[in-house]
Amino acid sequence: NAGVTQTPKFQVLKTGQSMTLQCAQDMNHEYMSWYRQDPGMGLRLIHYSVGAGITDQGEVPNGYNVSRSTTEDFPLRLLSAAPSQTSVYFCASSDHTATEAFFGQGTRLTVV
Amino acid sequence: GENVEQHPSTLSVQEGDSAVIKCTYSDSASNYFPWYKQELGKGPQLIIDIRSNVGEKKDQRIAVTLNKTAKHFSLHITETQPEDSAVYFCAAFRDVSSYKLIFGSGTRLLVRP
Repeated sequence: NAGVTQTPKFQVLKTGQSMTLQCAQDMNHEYMSWYRQDPGMGLRLIHYSVGAGITDQGEVPNGYNVSRSTTEDFPLRLLSAAPSQTSVYFCASSDHTATEAFFGQGTRLTVV
Repeated sequence: GENVEQHPSTLSVQEGDSAVIKCTYSDSASNYFPWYKQELGKGPQLIIDIRSNVGEKKDQRIAVTLNKTAKHFSLHITETQPEDSAVYFCAAFRDVSSYKLIFGSGTRLLVRP
């Protein structure tokens, strides 16, 4: 059982480049979320989805886009990367009870 | 929106001692309060949770208490062991329809052998 899989694990981008962080879960969970983790600031919610075709903004959505075309996948897009987006990104999923969140291993992104 | 504050940011204890981490939340409608443990290089994992209709919950060496009136909740770890060393996060969750799980800033716990 793979759980929540994030790719890539590491990425270096130049300012202004775009990229997509991939997240897939094989638990048939309805809820999926993206967080960024910065030193001293914990986990901050970027975007979340309560089901296929439904997404909403979290605490820090600016500079990021998401879509949820299938239950399994929830990609996070950076349209024009900025150094302030250097962070570790975590994807998480939960079932319909929206209690335990299962996290992926994270993607460490550096924008230079 | 919900705001969760967590203290302390770092905590160092001797093996066998107890550790306490405290969190406060702002939204009185929040009704679910989980605690996550994050080991180095990994994603956070749920270790214990509590709902707003319960005042205390225990699971072996860990326990969580909730004071709804004061809007704060705490994690208690007794008989700490070196493998308890990790970053701990509290979180608050309001309701299923909005599904915004908001985390505190984290506490780095170091258990000295």
